[in-house]
Order: sequence, then C-alpha cells, then structure tokens
Amino acid sequence: NAGVTQTPKFRVLKTGQSMTLLCAQDMNHEYMYWYRQDPGMGLRLIHYSVGEGTTAKGEVPDGYNVSRLKKQNFLLGLESAAPSQTSVYFCASSVRPNTEAFFGQGTRLTVV
Amino acid sequence: KNQVEQSPQSLIILEGKNCTLQCNYTVSPFSNLRWYKQDTGRGPVSLTIMTFSENTKSNGRYTATLDADTKQSSLHITASQLSDSASYICVVSAGLGDYKLSFGAGTTVTVRA
Repeated sequence: NAGVTQTPKFRVLKTGQSMTLLCAQDMNHEYMYWYRQDPGMGLRLIHYSVGEGTTAKGEVPDGYNVSRLKKQNFLLGLESAAPSQTSVYFCASSVRPNTEAFFGQGTRLTVV
Repeated sequence: KNQVEQSPQSLIILEGKNCTLQCNYTVSPFSNLRWYKQDTGRGPVSLTIMTFSENTKSNGRYTATLDADTKQSSLHITASQLSDSASYICVVSAGLGDYKLSFGAGTTVTVRA
C-alpha cells in the first residue's frame, strides 16, 4: 500500500519554464490537496479537489493550475515558473475534509 | 484571520528526557486539532487528532492535550529517542466543510545522545 506518491522528488527549473507535478493516491480518497511549504511558515493550501473532475482555489492559487481527471490522480501545473515558486510542494488526500490527511513525501522545486 | 502559533521554534533535548511543545490558536469555529510529525525530507505524518470534547489523546510516547476554552494545545514527548528528532506541526481545522487547515510553522526537536 503506497499511500500518496509524488513525482518527481526534486526538480530545478529556469524562470519561465513549465512543469507538472503528479500526485497519486491508492486509498480511494475523494479529497485531494496541494500545499506549499516555505521556511518559517506553515503549509499553505494552493488548490484542492473534492472529487473527480472538480477543483477549487485555496489560499495561494496564483501561478498554478490543477486537474483531477481521475480520482486517484491530482496534477499541479506551473505554466511559467517564477523564483517565488521555489518551495517544497506536498500533496495530501483524505476521506473527508475534517478527517486525517495523508501526505506525500514532497517535491523540492527550485526556480532559478 | 485564523492563526496557529507554536512555541518554542526549536529545542534540543538529551535522549531519554521529556519535553513539551505548545500550540496556541485563534481559529474559529473549531472542529479539530491535529499534531503531525515531519521528518527531514519527508511529508507530515499524523500523530493525534482531537475534537472539541477531547482533552487528552495519546499515541505511544506522544500525548496531546487540548484546552478549547483557552485555545491551547500541547504535545508531550516522554522518554525521547533519537528517532523523535523532527519537526512537530500543530494543525487546526475550522469546521465542517471547511477545506482550509491552519498550519503552525512547527517546532523543530533535536534529540542528542
């Protein structure tokens, strides 16, 4: 049972490049989330999804897009990367919004 | 604005000793409070979840307490081990249907032999 798996684990981008982060969960969870973690700050919600085909903006959505075409996958896209998007990105999933959230191992992204 | 403040920011303890981490929050309404452990380079892992009516919850050597009246929580680590070295994050959920969790910045615990 893998839980929540994120791909890739590390990535370096040049300013203006695009990329997609993949999150996959095998727990049949309806709810999935993308967070970013920056030094000295708590995790902040970028986008979330309450089910296949639905997505919604979180606290810091600017510069990111998401898609949930399949229940088990939640993709986070950066269309034109900026240095301010250098961060560690975590995907999480849960049965319901107020139940335990399971996190992936994170993706460390550096934009130069 | 919903906030979660944790203290101390970091601490160092000797193996075998106990320590207590603090969490104060202003989130309202309140649904539940969670403590997560995050090892370096890993994602957070849940330790405890407490609702409004729960005062204490344990998970092995970890014991969390909650005072919903004063909006304070603590995480006590008993007989620390080297594997307890990690960041401990306090997370508060505002209410039913609220998808936004409020995260504290975490307390970094270093256990030394």
